Amino acid sequence: KAGVTQTPRYLIKTRGQQVTLSCSPISGHRSVSWYQQTPGQGLQFLFEYFSETQRNKGNFPGRFSGRQFSNSRSEMNVSTLELGDSALYLCASSLSGGRMNTEAFFGQGTRLTVV
Amino acid sequence: TQLLEQSPQFLSIQEGENLTVYCNSSSVFSSLQWYRQEPGEGPVLLVTVVTGGEVKKLKRLTFQFGDARKDSSLHITAAQPGDTGLYLCAGGRGAQKLVFGQGTRLTINP
Repeated sequence: KAGVTQTPRYLIKTRGQQVTLSCSPISGHRSVSWYQQTPGQGLQFLFEYFSETQRNKGNFPGRFSGRQFSNSRSEMNVSTLELGDSALYLCASSLSGGRMNTEAFFGQGTRLTVV
Repeated sequence: TQLLEQSPQFLSIQEGENLTVYCNSSSVFSSLQWYRQEPGEGPVLLVTVVTGGEVKKLKRLTFQFGDARKDSSLHITAAQPGDTGLYLCAGGRGAQKLVFGQGTRLTINP
């Protein structure tokens, strides 16, 4: 069974540009969550999508957005990039729902560097 | 608001020693997971505990969920350099988003 796939693995962008990251969840998983990880702030929750609907949202500005497609694949977009957006962006998929179904399985992440 | 507090934040010990990492909260969780993350990689799920008082063992790692389902501990026996990494606990409540602790960065010195 294939794991969570994130593309690209590494990305370098210039301030002011926009970027789109992609995540393919484990087959059968309907929930996809996105996290930003930086050395100083740890793992910060961005948003969660379930069945193409945003179900939970973290405290990030509107420059951060996402969507989920009917096949559960998800994308996140960051517009007007700032230096502080440099981070490891992680995607996690889960079956969702029920006591046992909150287990999250992570991809390898996309390392975004803004210069 | 940090709902899950991990301690210690940093731990550096010698190979062969034992250690315990704690994950505490004032909130009740329906499940709690532990992850290990290596630099530049995503966190890897180690274990999930769901029953108060539950103990699970994974080779030299022992995980315990508190009776009240508010806290958890991870104990490593005879630590090895391969155990080095960032250990994260995460609490789940059904369909609500997982809540992560800030992590414990563990270094095992040969």
